[in-house]
Amino acid sequence: GDSVTQMEGPVTLSEEAFLTINCTYTATGYPSLFWYVQYPGEGLQLLLKATKADDKGSNKGFEATYRKETTSFHLEKGSVQVSDSAVYFCALSLNDYKLSFGAGTTVTVRA
Amino acid sequence: KAGVTQTPRYLIKTRGQQVTLSCSPISGHRSVSWYQQTPGQGLQFLFEYFSETQRNKGNFPGRFSGRQFSNSRSEMNVSTLELGDSALYLCASSLAGPMGRSSYEQYFGPGTRLTVT
Repeated sequence: GDSVTQMEGPVTLSEEAFLTINCTYTATGYPSLFWYVQYPGEGLQLLLKATKADDKGSNKGFEATYRKETTSFHLEKGSVQVSDSAVYFCALSLNDYKLSFGAGTTVTVRA
Repeated sequence: KAGVTQTPRYLIKTRGQQVTLSCSPISGHRSVSWYQQTPGQGLQFLFEYFSETQRNKGNFPGRFSGRQFSNSRSEMNVSTLELGDSALYLCASSLAGPMGRSSYEQYFGPGTRLTVT
């Protein structure tokens, strides 16, 4: 079935460090890909998305490129801040109205 | 524009009871989805509604049900609660229309934290 695999956490970084979270997917069709972020005690917020191969999604300094050849959608940020501490979820959606999520990666940024 | 709202935010129930959770989507959104989030299983899709019809359902037992009203508001119901039903229940709405399109992002509410004792 359709699934998403994320790198295991937790990830702990210092402020201004480079962040990358690996995400690969398995899908029977051509999915749209998303990164969501969840701050403590809150619901999920869309961080960025890409709907076709080679699309690059970007928001708040985060970027991810839809790579069909490697079935990947890795999240990157060049210089993290303490406020980026959260749980990050990679997700895919086919034409069936549901999101399939990865397990989530907890990121902690230390000042 | 107001976001997705969910009520109540917290609930404590006893095994065997039933519970109803409510979700109001963003104005203009007609698609409403429900997800269960637990530490062990992560985020799992429960079901999706559009125009008062359930279009897709995840792998959950029949104790989990839902409905959508003509104003797009949705409720989900869990009957005969079990300890394993303790979770954060998230509702999401989107602009997805009658045809299948995967590109519409879903906007999530803050969730209802259900604790079953």
